[in-house]
Parts: sequence; C-alpha cells; structure tokens
Amino acid sequence: KAGVTQTPRYLIKTRGQQVTLSCSPISGHRSVSWYQQTPGQGLQFLFEYFSETQRNKGNFPGRFSGRQFSNSRSEMNVSTLELGDSALYLCASSLARGRVNTEAFFGQGTRLTVV
Amino acid sequence: GENVEQHPSTLSVQEGDSAVIKCTYSDSASNYFPWYKQELGKGPQLIIDIRSNVGEKKDQRIAVTLNKTAKHFSLHITETQPEDSAVYFCAASSREVTFGIGTKLQVIP
Repeated sequence: KAGVTQTPRYLIKTRGQQVTLSCSPISGHRSVSWYQQTPGQGLQFLFEYFSETQRNKGNFPGRFSGRQFSNSRSEMNVSTLELGDSALYLCASSLARGRVNTEAFFGQGTRLTVV
Repeated sequence: GENVEQHPSTLSVQEGDSAVIKCTYSDSASNYFPWYKQELGKGPQLIIDIRSNVGEKKDQRIAVTLNKTAKHFSLHITETQPEDSAVYFCAASSREVTFGIGTKLQVIP
C-alpha cells in the first residue's frame, strides 16, 4: 500500500508570491490534515478535510487555504508569502470513521523556503 | 482549545538505559493519545497510541501510560538503542490533534 505522497519535496519562493502544495493520501483514507512544522513552534494544525469539506481549522490567517478533491487528494495554498511562512508543511491522512479518532499517517513533507 | 505540554525538550541516555517522556493535556474531552517518532528528513511516524478507556499499553520496548484524572500521559522506552535517537512527539486528540513541542532523544552508544 503506497504511503502519503507530498509534492513537491522542496520549494523556494519569494515574498509576496503564492504557493500550492499537494498531498495524495493513502488509498481509502478520506481525511487529510495539514500541519506547519517550525523549530520554535513545533507541529501546528492548519486544517482538516473530510469528503471534500473542511471539518476543522487551526489558528492561521486567511492567507492559508486548502481544498480536497473527490479522490481525497488535497491541496494547500498560501498567498502573499511572508518570510515567517518558511517551514516544513506536513500532510497526514487517516480513515477518520465518524467521531472515532484513527491512526494518522504522515507524508515526508514539503520544505518551503521564502526568501 | 487543547494545550499539550511535553518535557523534557532534550534527553540523552546511555545505550541500554530507559528513557521517559512526559506530557500533560488540558482538554478533558481528548480521548486519543498517539506518540510519533520523527527522524531527520522524514515525516512523523506513529509508534504507539492509547485511548482514554485504557491505562497502559505496551509494544515490545515501548510502553505508554495514561492518567486521565491527572491528564498526564507518558512514553517509556526500555533498553534504548542508537536507532531510537530521534524527535518524539506526544499528541492529544478530540476534534483535532494537538501536538507537544517534541523531545529530542539522543542515545549514546
């Protein structure tokens, strides 16, 4: 069974630009969550999508958005990039059956550097 | 929202010794507590998890304990090996998963 795939692995962007990151979950998983990982703040929850609907959202500005497609693949978009957006962006997929929390599997992440 | 505190932030142990990482959480609605190991250049990988209806769970050299009353949970690694060196994250989950800040474990051969 293929794992969670994130593309691209590395990205360098300039301040003010926008970026789109992609995540393909494990086959059969309908929930996709996104996290921002930085050395000072650890893993911070961005949002979760389930069956193409955003189910939860963390405390990030509106410049951070996402969506999920009918095949459960998800994209995350960051507009008007700031230097502080430099981070490892991780995607995790899970079965997420109803209200029962299930094991989440992480991808290797996309390392975004804003210059 | 949920707040998860994790300590210590760094931990060095001699190979063969035990390592203990402790976490506390604030939201009594949290009912699922996974632990992840992250090696350099990789995403976090689940190593063990525990649900709120269980007090302890063991998997070979790894064990997790949960005290719901005190809102504490801990990871115990026995007979540590150099390949256990990594960053370990605890997490608490109700509606969303909240992670601790991470513990960098170094096992000295």
